Amino acid sequence: QVQLVESGGGVVQPGGSLRLSCAASGFTFSTSGMHWVRQAPGKGLEWVTFIVYDGNNKYYADSVKGRFTISRDNSKNTLYLQMDSLRAEDTAVYYCASWARLGDFNYWGQGTLVTVSS
Amino acid sequence: EIVLTQSPATLSLSPGERATLSCRASQSVSRYLAWYQQKPGQVPRLLIYDASNRATGIPARFSGSGSGTDFTLTINSLEPEDFAVYYCQQRSNWPPYTFGQGTKLEIK
Repeated sequence: QVQLVESGGGVVQPGGSLRLSCAASGFTFSTSGMHWVRQAPGKGLEWVTFIVYDGNNKYYADSVKGRFTISRDNSKNTLYLQMDSLRAEDTAVYYCASWARLGDFNYWGQGTLVTVSS
Repeated sequence: EIVLTQSPATLSLSPGERATLSCRASQSVSRYLAWYQQKPGQVPRLLIYDASNRATGIPARFSGSGSGTDFTLTINSLEPEDFAVYYCQQRSNWPPYTFGQGTKLEIK
């Protein structure tokens, strides 16, 4: 079965950095676009970033552009999110996910909590 | 950027009643719209894709309709486990892949 397992969350001070990982299994990772979506405590879902299957194109929400970097290693079936210059408003559960534009291909990980606080 | 507006923000109903949730897009998204259900502490669960198709394992009491800018999620004969937050998501024009702000379905 499909599994997406995030890791790397934790507590970091404002201005600090953190790197999240998402280990994928049960589907063809190397041909799938991948997303990060976040959810601040008590708030709604916010799309953060997307990377195409081969890593050649990446897209970011304005709120993280220039601070976050998405990448992937298809040889390791792993997705990454490098988060720099973190702010309090980046505090959220971060989910890795993959979905098709059309159709029911849709998978989410369990999420990892990032807390930015001094 | 396409903005999705969900209404109402909160819907209070009793088990057995019908719930009608709305999602309006600021510009046409054709049928590239999905609905999710999220319960506290859980991962969003796909209910409806392509505006009107039920995802695998989703009960028939859930149905989606609409195209263009106006979409509806209908839940017939509410069960106790249906009380949750519901989000719509557009997959038409991206980035960004926008979500609605959510509708909380609560027990009356």
